[in-house]
Amino acid sequence: EAGVAQSPRYKIIEKRQSVAFWCNPISGHATLYWYQQILGQGPKLLIQFQNNGVVDDSQLPKDRFSAERLKGVDSTLKIQPAKLEDSAVYLCASSFGPGQGSVNEQFFGPGTRLTVL
Amino acid sequence: GQQLNQSPQSMFIQEGEDVSMNCTSSSIFNTWLWYKQDPGEGPVLLIALYKAGELTSNGRLTAQFGITRKDSFLNISASIPSDVGIYFCAGQLRSNQGGKLIFGQGTELSVKP
Repeated sequence: EAGVAQSPRYKIIEKRQSVAFWCNPISGHATLYWYQQILGQGPKLLIQFQNNGVVDDSQLPKDRFSAERLKGVDSTLKIQPAKLEDSAVYLCASSFGPGQGSVNEQFFGPGTRLTVL
Repeated sequence: GQQLNQSPQSMFIQEGEDVSMNCTSSSIFNTWLWYKQDPGEGPVLLIALYKAGELTSNGRLTAQFGITRKDSFLNISASIPSDVGIYFCAGQLRSNQGGKLIFGQGTELSVKP
């Protein structure tokens, strides 16, 4: 079974530029998550989708971050304009469904390492 | 918001030694999970705990869900070099909150052969 795919793996941009990350979840997984992991910290949830609807975006900085999952499969996360403090690894994860128990086991992709100069 | 305090932050041990790390929270969680993250990779689930007091093993790994539902620990017995990595605890909120995970800060484990 193929895992969660993310691209690009690395991105270096200047502050105030825009950047976009792409995620392809595991086939059949209805729930998709984007996490931000700053160096030395655990992942922090930015946004959770159930199919193409947003379940939780309470920690997404909406003035500069946006995400979409138009057809309920692939997702893109965009930052516009980027700030220095956005330097982090952006992880995408997917699960079969929301809720508790093994149905909610989240499988993570390898992440995109963003450096903002 | 909810926070998890994970300790220790880092550990340097000799191959063959046992390791213990723990996680505490001021909030109650319905599920506790332990992940391992290797450099350049995403976290991989090691153990999931669904009931207060539950003790679960996965090979050399043992984890427990605290009775108060506010803490959990992970033990690794007879460590080997491939145990090197960063271990994260995560608490999961109730399903009506979407199953959101809250992660600890991580414990970085180094194993000397």
